[in-house]
Amino acid sequence: DTGVSQNPRHKITKRGQNVTFRCDPISEHNRLYWYRQTLGQGPEFLTYFQNEAQLEKSRLLSDRFSAERPKGSFSTLEIQRTEQGDSAMYLCASSQTGTANQPQHFGDGTRLSIL
Amino acid sequence: AQSVTQLDSQVPVFEEAPVELRCNYSSSVSVYLFWYVQYPNQGLQLLLKYLSGSTLVKGINGFEAEFNKSQTSFHLRKPSVHISDTAEYFCAVSLFSSNTGKLIFGQGTTLQVKP
Repeated sequence: DTGVSQNPRHKITKRGQNVTFRCDPISEHNRLYWYRQTLGQGPEFLTYFQNEAQLEKSRLLSDRFSAERPKGSFSTLEIQRTEQGDSAMYLCASSQTGTANQPQHFGDGTRLSIL
Repeated sequence: AQSVTQLDSQVPVFEEAPVELRCNYSSSVSVYLFWYVQYPNQGLQLLLKYLSGSTLVKGINGFEAEFNKSQTSFHLRKPSVHISDTAEYFCAVSLFSSNTGKLIFGQGTTLQVKP
């Protein structure tokens, strides 16, 4: 079990630029989640994949955000035309297929800073 | 809508003292309950979960939690804390009926263990 891997760990960019983050889940996990965590707050759900299908998106996920999971393996989260309010930690988690009680395993996150 | 409230934003405690971190939730449907711990610049690690059965659940690192349905609470306890327990603790719920298993988190409680 190599755990959930996220890259990069840190990203600093200027406002208006596009950024892309990558998440590699635990290999046998079908479910993949993205969360956003701002300073001093708990993580907030952004989107969910089961295999390659994106089955739920939060209203937090504006049109500038897009996520993919081609072939049901790794996932990418892209933010276009970044804004100051996008500064946050972006967390990826994965779990086995089953009921909603399957524990989620989290990566160490990508911290995004917008200048 | 579901929500999770962690009643204390910070809990200072001396080493080897007992500690309780409080969590209340609001939901019109049945939920699963989780506690996660987050160390600085890391992702979240599962401490314990309540799915069904005995209301007292034991987790890793000597932590335990008790589910109280009538009070809609899931407080986390440890009889004797260590310096290494200093971290951010998050209570979370997911819905029985959820197809996604997405987590709804509280705001977090910072546990500060002093020597």
